[in-house]
Amino acid sequence: SQQGEEDPQALSIQEGENATMNCSYKTSINNLQWYRQNSGRGLVHLILIRSNEREKHSGRLRVTLDTSKKSSSLLITASRAADTASYFCATDPTSGTYKYIFGTGTRLKVLA
Amino acid sequence: EAQVTQNPRYLITVTGKKLTVTCSQNMNHEYMSWYRQDPGLGLRQIYYSMNVEVTDKGDVPEGYKVSRKEKRNFPLILESPSPNQTSLYFCASRGSPRGHEQYFGPGTRLTVT
Repeated sequence: SQQGEEDPQALSIQEGENATMNCSYKTSINNLQWYRQNSGRGLVHLILIRSNEREKHSGRLRVTLDTSKKSSSLLITASRAADTASYFCATDPTSGTYKYIFGTGTRLKVLA
Repeated sequence: EAQVTQNPRYLITVTGKKLTVTCSQNMNHEYMSWYRQDPGLGLRQIYYSMNVEVTDKGDVPEGYKVSRKEKRNFPLILESPSPNQTSLYFCASRGSPRGHEQYFGPGTRLTVT
């Protein structure tokens, strides 16, 4: 069953602006990860945040996690045309199945 | 270079003709899995493997088989492909079942006519 739901489904911004996308999930998790996918290509891992962490940074990426609301957000600051891609959250549930569950993704378009 | 490779990258076949998509990783990862990606449905796990000779079903295993005879290889077998298996397939691996990033292959675009 689908665990992560990203919001919005699609986002279009100008280069230099910030992009924020959200992920909501349903069950308790060990960690949550964000991935990027360029059109038709394999997913690339961006960042992993553990359930006992609230915020994490990596370069222009900032991820927050609110386990009480079962939600996470990914912020890309000072976006570039090269950031155009689909972004997916993936959750690692505590249920013990070792199965990362992916959402349906947010399609980000950064206009030059 | 650490990577997951898949072959073929593109495949057009006919209903019922058995095919195998190969997957190999060079990172000595224990955990490997197969996903299919369809528009509006995201990534769905087909099968996964915790280690050599240990495999289990994911969310959509019907019509697929896998094997894990060596740690580095995890082929996906479609014994009698049908048009509803037309999809984009990804192999992925990670160092351990929990708490690790996943590395994805470049994808195999399969069309079954």
